[in-house]
Amino acid sequence: DAKTTQPPSTDCAEGRAANLPCNHSTISGNEYVYWYRQIHSQGPQYIIHGLKNNETNEMASLIITEDRKSSTLILPHATLRDTAVYYCIPREIQGAQKLVFGQGTRLTINP
Amino acid sequence: DTAVSQTPKYLVTQMGNDKSIKCEQNLGHDTMYWYKQDSKKFLKIMFSYNNKELIINETVPNRFSPKSPDKAHLNLHINSLELGDSAVYFCASSPLAGGYTFGSGTRLTVV
Repeated sequence: DAKTTQPPSTDCAEGRAANLPCNHSTISGNEYVYWYRQIHSQGPQYIIHGLKNNETNEMASLIITEDRKSSTLILPHATLRDTAVYYCIPREIQGAQKLVFGQGTRLTINP
Repeated sequence: DTAVSQTPKYLVTQMGNDKSIKCEQNLGHDTMYWYKQDSKKFLKIMFSYNNKELIINETVPNRFSPKSPDKAHLNLHINSLELGDSAVYFCASSPLAGGYTFGSGTRLTVV
């Protein structure tokens, strides 16, 4: 399983863009980068995933470097409800591959 | 309709008892999982079933026994409960390719 490094915590002002970096230098060629978040006491929530191209959905944007060794999750207009722990997880897309959770980044959105 | 539902939400029981947690998903996913989140908030996979067949069995005491009567259900039975089993247990499901959907968790407290 590829190892990831994320800052333990960060904060952001409400309405601003929140940027969450992740290093995954040992990611293999067939592993996608998945992002999940866990809002206090709830089950983890899928956000977005990508292989090598940048991706965007209604929740966030994912920027993956060309060498695929790192990525950044961007929440374009953070709200108080985005306060959560965010996890970056490399995972093969096919098959019943387990998610290996690290410590994640605790994002606090300030009013 | 809740996509992945677990029951009960809270479970308080004495050491030595046997208890079960039920999980059902209505997403049509082939794969279901059980994860454990301990007091330090680490999320770790316990089991995975693909279409009723056990495919992932991490190092879990054999007091824990998953059962999948059909691909929409994955139950977790725990024998001879110990204090260290206190945790939040999350059920999840996923399609062959794509993100997981987690349940809201079952908080187990062993006293």
